[in-house]
Amino acid sequence: DADVTQTPRNRITKTGKRIMLECSQTKGHDRMYWYRQDPGLGLRLIYYSFDVKDINKGEISDGYSVSRQAQAKFSLSLESAIPNQTALYFCATSDLLGRGLEEQFFGPGTRLTVL
Amino acid sequence: QQPVQSPQAVILREGEDAVINCSSSKALYSVHWYRQKHGEAPVFLMILLKGGEQKGHDKISASFNEKKQQSSLYLTASQLSYSGTYFCGTERDRGSTLGRLYFGRGTQLTVWP
Repeated sequence: DADVTQTPRNRITKTGKRIMLECSQTKGHDRMYWYRQDPGLGLRLIYYSFDVKDINKGEISDGYSVSRQAQAKFSLSLESAIPNQTALYFCATSDLLGRGLEEQFFGPGTRLTVL
Repeated sequence: QQPVQSPQAVILREGEDAVINCSSSKALYSVHWYRQKHGEAPVFLMILLKGGEQKGHDKISASFNEKKQQSSLYLTASQLSYSGTYFCGTERDRGSTLGRLYFGRGTQLTVWP
């Protein structure tokens, strides 16, 4: 079974609709992240959480909100979807290595299309 | 704040070498390298700390020049399996941005037989 899962894997919705993307992990990591990937722009951080009570905005948080329901679950919501939120969304988790560094493990991604 | 990667794309023949560069205008604590194959999620390759550390993984190695805030990824005797998009992620010097990565736009590497 995959360590980091995302649902749904694909979603097509209309402008103005509320959408929730879910992420679950079985790795036991405290840190979780939501990224957005657009062609040619790389990965941009939307929100991140270092534990259940900690939520932080990333580079492009406008138009998004998150919920950390448990250590294993981190959801991303688009309150009112707009076409320029069409993108590939990745959830990631991380752990600490030795000197406080971390390797991030990515989920399979959710491809969202807003019409 | 996003690091700059160069080149944007590289096309190689199997067995050739390539270098991918990543530079930042901010003081860095670490540089991370990831590879993403088409249609898949990014996968971790390695982390380098400030201090000029050099690391290797099979025939892929990397260096980090702290003075220049630059990292380079070296792919030696490239294999078909090396094809994909390579991203560097930079972690700024420790403080309020602890553990947060800024990713570059990626370098698309294509290896032909």
